[in-house]
Amino acid sequence: EAAVTQSPRNKVAVTGGKVTLSCNQTNNHNNMYWYRQDTGHGLRLIHYSYGAGSTEKGDIPDGYKASRPSQENFSLILELATPSQTSVYFCASGARLGGYEQYFGPGTRLTVL
Amino acid sequence: QQKVQQSPESLIVPEGAMTSLNCTFSDSASQYFAWYRQHSGKAPKALMSIFSNGEKEEGRFTIHLNKASLHFSLHIRDSQPSDSALYLCAASSGSWQLIFGSGTQLTVMP
Repeated sequence: EAAVTQSPRNKVAVTGGKVTLSCNQTNNHNNMYWYRQDTGHGLRLIHYSYGAGSTEKGDIPDGYKASRPSQENFSLILELATPSQTSVYFCASGARLGGYEQYFGPGTRLTVL
Repeated sequence: QQKVQQSPESLIVPEGAMTSLNCTFSDSASQYFAWYRQHSGKAPKALMSIFSNGEKEEGRFTIHLNKASLHFSLHIRDSQPSDSALYLCAASSGSWQLIFGSGTQLTVMP
C-alpha cells in the first residue's frame, strides 16, 4: 500500500515565524498535493506538483510556498505564519498514469499563536 | 471552477440501517468521482470510485453516478458502528486534481 509520511505531526508556531511542513512518499508517484482541512470546509488544495522541480498553485495558495526537490519529498512553507493558518495539513500523492486516486499522509496539526 | 457540495452535513442512523450520502458537482466535463472515508484523527482513505454513469457495488457499499443531473451518491447497506466517520466526496478537475466536498459526519448507533 502507498506510504506517505509527514513531519512534524504537531507544531506550535508564533505569529510571524517561519514554518516548514515536510512530506515524503515512497511510491514513486509523480503527483503530490498539500491540503488543509478545517471544519465545514473539507479538504482545500493549497499547492501541488507534477514532479521534481515543479510546483503549481491550488485553490488557496496565498501565504504558502511549496518546494519539490525530489520525487519523494514535497514541502509546504509558511514564511510569515498567521493565526488564520491554524489548521490540519495533509499531504497526498498520486500516480499520474495510474489514475486520480490520492494517498494521504497522517496529517500535521499546526497551531499559530 | 469545479464546485462540489455534500448533503447532509451530519447523519445519525441505527445499526443495520441503509445510509445514503449525496454529492453534487458543477463541472459536466468531470471524469472521476470518488468517496473517501476519514475516521477521527486519521488520514482520508479512498473508499470507492466510478468513472461512468451507473452503479458500482463493493460489499455493503454502492456508488451511483448520474452525470446528467450532476449528482453522485454513496449507499451503505447494513450500516455498522465501525462505519462511523467523516465521508468526503470528490470529483476530478483539470489534470489530476480532485475537488472535495465539505463532508458528511456519519454516526451509526449500536
